[in-house]
Amino acid sequence: DGGITQSPKYLFRKEGQNVTLSCEQNLNHDAMYWYRQDPGQGLRLIYYSQIVNDFQKGDIAEGYSVSREKKESFPLTVTSAQKNPTAFYLCASTMGRFNQPQHFGDGTRLSIL
Amino acid sequence: KNEVEQSPQNLTAQEGEFITINCSYSVGISALHWLQQHPGGGIVSLFMLSSGKKKHGRLIATINIQEKHSSLHITASHPRDSAVYICAVSPNTGNQFYFGTGTSLTVIP
Repeated sequence: DGGITQSPKYLFRKEGQNVTLSCEQNLNHDAMYWYRQDPGQGLRLIYYSQIVNDFQKGDIAEGYSVSREKKESFPLTVTSAQKNPTAFYLCASTMGRFNQPQHFGDGTRLSIL
Repeated sequence: KNEVEQSPQNLTAQEGEFITINCSYSVGISALHWLQQHPGGGIVSLFMLSSGKKKHGRLIATINIQEKHSSLHITASHPRDSAVYICAVSPNTGNQFYFGTGTSLTVIP
């Protein structure tokens, strides 16, 4: 079955630590996205990538970094510069651009120790 | 400012009731999406539409492009329909999706 796999499901970060969230898809989708979800707010775009080795900042990119070395993989690193990282993080993909249905992973919940 | 507004924010219904969730948006769009998020957190795309109406089982989605408004209807609601329903749009500018804050639906047996 094709889909998007996010890992881990739960992640804890210590002060000053960088952590990396994994996102892998086997849908052969070109575009991938990272969103942050906070209670009472809509999904906010962190980064997106439309092709390998290229990505763009979204609305809230500060304190985050990404890479897109392979079509299937789009890992997100939450750096120590992100002062309020506690949130639910969702990875998504689409076949092409923004007018296509999005497929989502099951999310990673990040908390601060 | 929020490009996508949903109402109501929270909704409780008895099993079997007909449910309507509304979505209004303020930008020109190429498509509108209805998503379902279950308590575990994963999100599933229910519908993508750019005109008219779509139906899948007990779910019906409609859109009025002139009025910039869409509705999601659930007929004969069931406790397993309990979830957060999210409206999202693909703007004509084509540079990202805009999401509503979601409607939390609880269906009581």
